[in-house]
Formats: sequence, structure tokens, C-alpha cells
Amino acid sequence: QKEVEQNSGPLSVPEGAIASLNCTYSDRGSQSFFWYRQYSGKSPELIMFIYSNGDKEDGRFTAQLNKASQYVSLLIRDSQPSDSATYLCAVYSSASKIIFGSGTRLSIRP
Amino acid sequence: KAGVTQTPRYLIKTRGQQVTLSCSPISGHRSVSWYQQTPGQGLQFLFEYFSETQRNKGNFPGRFSGRQFSNSRSEMNVSTLELGDSALYLCASSLVGQTTNEKLFFGSGTQLSVL
Repeated sequence: QKEVEQNSGPLSVPEGAIASLNCTYSDRGSQSFFWYRQYSGKSPELIMFIYSNGDKEDGRFTAQLNKASQYVSLLIRDSQPSDSATYLCAVYSSASKIIFGSGTRLSIRP
Repeated sequence: KAGVTQTPRYLIKTRGQQVTLSCSPISGHRSVSWYQQTPGQGLQFLFEYFSETQRNKGNFPGRFSGRQFSNSRSEMNVSTLELGDSALYLCASSLVGQTTNEKLFFGSGTQLSVL
């Protein structure tokens, strides 16, 4: 079992709709959770982090965390073509290192 | 402020050779982490250095090694290259290292091809 699992996609969402990206993790001792965005040919950049159960909103982005279910999600409202990228879920594990999932490729179709 | 600088950008090597990659972190950042990125596997954690000491490491063979200098610059070395080592190697810097809320700043990476 991978430590951080994501559906590789591609996930295709129409412009203006809500994109929902999901991530599960295996280490129950994980303390915080990150979402990085990586455009094709570019390096990852942090867009959200969350460490408490519930929702955290930042503009069009909402991160959701459910530690009991070991589940993290990222919602993107009013999706734009510029949101087309690979989204990487990352977890700060109990071993004090940041572990990444393999990423979900998101495509926003006009 | 300059970002994270990785050199070289591209490398082509043959099996059995060794390679050294370099990473200069953002000024003032004391932690450098290295990741290997391959299609389908995502980013695999190699190791993290902080103040010239290896603070953590991933599950890679001993052929992968690294070090950090007093100016926080870091190098990663891979000896006896194998075809499977072909990947994008990303370096990430942060102010105090991998913690619960520390943001990682990534360089553009070094694309290594092993023939």
C-alpha cells in the first residue's frame, strides 16, 4: 500500500464547474497535509495546507480533511483553463518527512 | 530574491557512470530536500539536509548520497548509474526544514537520462 494515494486521472471538468480531487493516506500519525500544483514542465508550488479536521478555504480553493477516514480533498470552484495541471497531495508523516502522492492530472475543458 | 537553482538542467549518462547534481537554496533557507520524480511514481523522497547534517532519508539504495555545505548549497551523487535512475531530480528548500507547516520551494529540477 502506498503511503499517499491519488487517482492519476485525467480528471476532466467543464469550465466554471467544481473540480474535486481526492487523496488518502496510510500513516495515522500524519500531522499536516498539503496540496501542490505542478504545471507541465514546471516545478511544484504549494497552494494549500491544512492540519485540522474540517474545511479550509482560500479564494476558489477549499481543502477538506477527515483524519478518522484518513482522507484529504481539494475542491476548486469556478474552474478555469489555467487550473489545468497535476495536483499533488503531500503529507507530513509521523517519520518527520513530507511524502507525496503520484498526483492527479486535471483538465478543464472550455 | 532568487529562487532555488539547480544545475545542470539536463544530463545524459551511461550505465555504470556516476553523476553529481547541485542545488542552491533560496538565500536564508537552511534546509534542502531532494526528490526523485518519475511518471506514475510521483515524487519519491530521497533525503533532507539541514545545517550540513542529513536529517532524514527515504528508501533509496546507498548509491544515492548527498551532502550540504556551510552556505546551505547541496549536492546529490548517484554512483553506478542504472537505467531505472532516469528521472527528474527535484531539490526543494525551506527555511527550517520539513515540519508540520513548512512550505517547500522547488527548483526547476535536473532531468537525468541514463542510456
